[in-house]
Amino acid sequence: SQTIHQWPATLVQPVGSPLSLECTVEGTSNPNLYWYRQAAGRGLQLLFYSVGIGQISSEVPQNLSASRPQDRQFILSSKKLLLSDSGFYLCAWSVGLAGGSGETQYFGPGTRLLVL
Amino acid sequence: AQSVAQPEDQVNVAEGNPLTVKCTYSVSGNPYLFWYVQYPNRGLQFLLKYITGDNLVKGSYGFEAEFNKSQTSFHLKKPSALVSDSALYFCAVSHSWGDSSYKLIFGSGTRLLVRP
Repeated sequence: SQTIHQWPATLVQPVGSPLSLECTVEGTSNPNLYWYRQAAGRGLQLLFYSVGIGQISSEVPQNLSASRPQDRQFILSSKKLLLSDSGFYLCAWSVGLAGGSGETQYFGPGTRLLVL
Repeated sequence: AQSVAQPEDQVNVAEGNPLTVKCTYSVSGNPYLFWYVQYPNRGLQFLLKYITGDNLVKGSYGFEAEFNKSQTSFHLKKPSALVSDSALYFCAVSHSWGDSSYKLIFGSGTRLLVRP
């Protein structure tokens, strides 16, 4: 069966410090991978998605970047954190179906980031 | 443009009573609709999805959803609510990126509170 891991679970960082959040998926090959941010316990904002190694698409311009160095590894980074980067970061994976749109995204446990 | 609306910020129901969490959508073409649940400080869990076929979709934990094309709705239902059902519920619609990958567009979420 497939599992998705995120770490760390919680992170407190000072403004201006770098960031690296990691997401890994087990039990599947060539997944589509996604990074979301959830602010204030509500809406989900898609940040990045990837359909393969080294292939990253950004949904919105921001202070963050993403990389996919391996098939099942997705990393979210920042060189200098802002206060507004605080939030709950969720990684998700899906496997494309023939005809596409019905594929389900499965979410990791999330990382809570607090920038002070 | 694809969009999803969850008109209720919060739904309150007594344990043992039926519950409904509302969702309406706007899509071009055939809709692919999803429901997710989120417990505090956790990732989203997939409940069910509608792709095609029977308008009544059954999912996890006794939940079901009814697809109504004429009303463009996909309401989540459960015949008898449990206190443990208290959580944040998200409706989502699938949208094509145009590069054979798909993203989910989420509603703003509805908080369900089941009182004993």
